[in-house]
Amino acid sequence: KNEVEQSPQNLTAQEGEFITINCSYSVGISALHWLQQHPGGGIVSLFMLSSGKKKHGRLIATINIQEKHSSLHITASHPRDSAVYICAVSSYNTDKLIFGTGTRLQVFP
Amino acid sequence: GAGVSQSPSNKVTEKGKDVELRCDPISGHTALYWYRQSLGQGLEFLIYFQGNSAPDKSGLPSDRFSAERTGGSVSTLTIQRTQQEDSAVYLCASSLGAWTSGFTNTQYFGPGTRLTVL
Repeated sequence: KNEVEQSPQNLTAQEGEFITINCSYSVGISALHWLQQHPGGGIVSLFMLSSGKKKHGRLIATINIQEKHSSLHITASHPRDSAVYICAVSSYNTDKLIFGTGTRLQVFP
Repeated sequence: GAGVSQSPSNKVTEKGKDVELRCDPISGHTALYWYRQSLGQGLEFLIYFQGNSAPDKSGLPSDRFSAERTGGSVSTLTIQRTQQEDSAVYLCASSLGAWTSGFTNTQYFGPGTRLTVL
């Protein structure tokens, strides 16, 4: 079993829909990271969180430390949100990232 | 300011040759990480450097892989006697400091070097 599990693996949506991507992990962590990778593009850090909730524009990330679970929400999705979203954790006492397999999101107009 | 830069952006080599990949981190970032993204394996950690501490090499897949960081800035990842399974995108990231500094920081990724071993 992978230390970081994401679901779903693939997701399609119509523009304007509310989107949720889930991430579960099995190790002790110092932080959880949500990353975005556009096709052929580099990786951008969206959020780093260790508790509670963070919001940036239409993106919201939440984490439940007790349940070892995080969600990334996109409100009012747009075709430019189409990308691979990757959950990663910094395990306790080290900064190296352990990655989930990613969720490929396609938003159609 | 400038982000993390990597060179070359693409590298095609023949099996058995040695390759060097370079990473220039963001100025002032003391932590530097190397990751690999391949079709079969997804993203995986290779090695990280934090200041003057001994690097964490626990992710290097074999002794053909090595990395150094000179003067606390530029890093070079060297792959000796390349194999076809080494074909991947090699990503470098940097951050203000690693956990050993007492806190976790956002990692900023470079554009990657796409390595193709024929």
